[in-house]
Amino acid sequence: AQSVTQLDSQVPVFEEAPVELRCNYSSSVSVYLFWYVQYPNQGLQLLLKYLSGSTLVESINGFEAEFNKSQTSFHLRKPSVHISDTAEYFCAAARSSYKLIFGSGTRLLVRP
Amino acid sequence: DTAVSQTPKYLVTQMGNDKSIKCEQNLGHDTMYWYKQDSKKFLKIMFSYNNKELIINETVPNRFSPKSPDKAHLNLHINSLELGDSAVYFCASSPRAGLAEAFFGQGTRLTVV
Repeated sequence: AQSVTQLDSQVPVFEEAPVELRCNYSSSVSVYLFWYVQYPNQGLQLLLKYLSGSTLVESINGFEAEFNKSQTSFHLRKPSVHISDTAEYFCAAARSSYKLIFGSGTRLLVRP
Repeated sequence: DTAVSQTPKYLVTQMGNDKSIKCEQNLGHDTMYWYKQDSKKFLKIMFSYNNKELIINETVPNRFSPKSPDKAHLNLHINSLELGDSAVYFCASSPRAGLAEAFFGQGTRLTVV
């Protein structure tokens, strides 16, 4: 069965520092990958996605993720974080199916 | 203007009661979902409908019954509520079946006391 692993439950980082949130998936077939962000008491918002093509995908607020097939990873990075980036980040995967399989989430805590 | 809207946002009820959560999307999407987020933030799909037809039904107790009167609405009815049903329930939609990218509502926080 397909699964998504986010090893870090919480990542504390100082403002303006770089950050990487790790995500690994298990799938022997083609997979679509997503990062969602959940701000406190809100729903999930799509941050970025990999469907096909370029393995490096970017969001409008400075995040990027790289699909690495050999390492079955889709880590999320940002070179300089802001206080407002504090949120829960979920990695998700799907094959050509109807449902997203979510990781357990990583809480990014940005400190001043 | 809200793309995927759920009501109510908060729901506190006693064990044994029956309750419903409503969801509407104005995106013109064909597919809608219900996800459950537990106290540890873990998200899991419960149901999915495509053009009013049930296409995913995970191992959810049959006390949970989704209903889709049209493709813009997917409601969730829960009978005989139990303490373990306390969670945040998210409705979501995607443009078409087989495209897993989903747009989520704000969630309904259900507390069973």
